[in-house]
Amino acid sequence: DVKVTQSSRYLVKRTGEKVFLECVQDMDHENMFWYRQDPGLGLRLIYFSYDVKMKEKGDIPEGYSVSREKKERFSLILESASTNQTSMYLCASSWAGGRNQPQHFGDGTRLSIL
Amino acid sequence: KNQVEQSPQSLIILEGKNCTLQCNYTVSPFSNLRWYKQDTGRGPVSLTIMTFSENTKSNGRYTATLDADTKQSSLHITASQLSDSASYICVVSAQGGNTGKLIFGQGTTLQVKP
Repeated sequence: DVKVTQSSRYLVKRTGEKVFLECVQDMDHENMFWYRQDPGLGLRLIYFSYDVKMKEKGDIPEGYSVSREKKERFSLILESASTNQTSMYLCASSWAGGRNQPQHFGDGTRLSIL
Repeated sequence: KNQVEQSPQSLIILEGKNCTLQCNYTVSPFSNLRWYKQDTGRGPVSLTIMTFSENTKSNGRYTATLDADTKQSSLHITASQLSDSASYICVVSAQGGNTGKLIFGQGTTLQVKP
């Protein structure tokens, strides 16, 4: 089974801090994604990567950056955390063999910015 | 504008009963439609993926239908169990780019009571 592991289930940080969220997948998937999930808004794509060192902006990239130095690891960085970035963050990965591949999600990191 | 709308927003049924969740979309050009199940505190898990040419797909007690002409999909759950209590998310993939673009519905929250 595919396993997508997010480093923290819960995280509390302060406004202005630099925050790192880590995600690791064990299936050698080319594609990796970062979403945030908010009540009433569904999942929204922040960034995705289809190869090592490659990244593309999603729908809401402002205030975030990403890093993919190794194929299995995709990091989301909040450069200067703000309270409106309090949310559930979900990482996902998928195989690149065609667009009908399912995304496999981690269990999320619930991030609170105080 | 690409949109995915799900109904009802929430649903309560008794264990053993059947139920049907609805998904309407305005996504173009269409690539595929996915249903995900998200248990509380967990990441979404893929149930089915249907392309334009498929109009029914089953996964155990879950059966998804797709009418590409009317741009509607439904997820039918047969003989519900307590473990079916979850949020069900309809996701439509639009063609384009390396991975396509996923448009997420806001989900239907299902509660199965004994």
